[in-house]
Amino acid sequence: QLQLQESGPGLVKPSETLSLTCSVSAGAITSSGYYWAWIRQPPGKGLEWIGSVYASGSTHYNPSLRGRVTISIATSKNHFSVNLNSVAAADTAVYFCARSRRATFDIWGQGTMVIVSS
Amino acid sequence: AIQLTQSPSSLSASIGDRVSITCRASQGISSALAWYQQKPGKAPQLLIYDVSNLESGVPSRFSGSGSGTDFTLTISSLQPEDFATYYCQQFTSFPLTFGGGTKVEIK
Repeated sequence: QLQLQESGPGLVKPSETLSLTCSVSAGAITSSGYYWAWIRQPPGKGLEWIGSVYASGSTHYNPSLRGRVTISIATSKNHFSVNLNSVAAADTAVYFCARSRRATFDIWGQGTMVIVSS
Repeated sequence: AIQLTQSPSSLSASIGDRVSITCRASQGISSALAWYQQKPGKAPQLLIYDVSNLESGVPSRFSGSGSGTDFTLTISSLQPEDFATYYCQQFTSFPLTFGGGTKVEIK
């Protein structure tokens, strides 16, 4: 059964860059037809799609993040990553990675909490 | 961006009740709608895609319907494990967007 696991710092200072990695196990990140996505959820709030990446490196981003986000994929390492720069308190959230099948999200990581605070 | 409005935002129901949750899109999204269930402290789980197709392993008491801009998730007989928050999501165009969620609580 495919599994996804997020990793990265749980605390980031304001104005710095949030960097997370999602490791994929029991399956290839190069599997045809799947994108790989990041989604976040501020405490007590709803879900926000951040962006998605394909094995080729092709990406789609949420314009609400105003160009602050970059998602990359490392097929040799079977993982993908998100960088969000110039973070502020509003970026405090649980960050999930997920497999995207026809732009729905069928397998999710457990999520990792990231707090933006000095 | 396409906005999704869920109603109600919360509801209280009893075991065995029939429960319906509505999701309204700000513009037509054809059949590109999915539903997720999220329990506290857990990742969301895909329940339904393409309006009415049940994801593998999801109990048949869950069903989806609708078209265009108005969609409904129905739980035919509420079970204890169904108390959770439910989200709709559209995937007809980027950015992908979610509804605000509906919390189903025990009466």
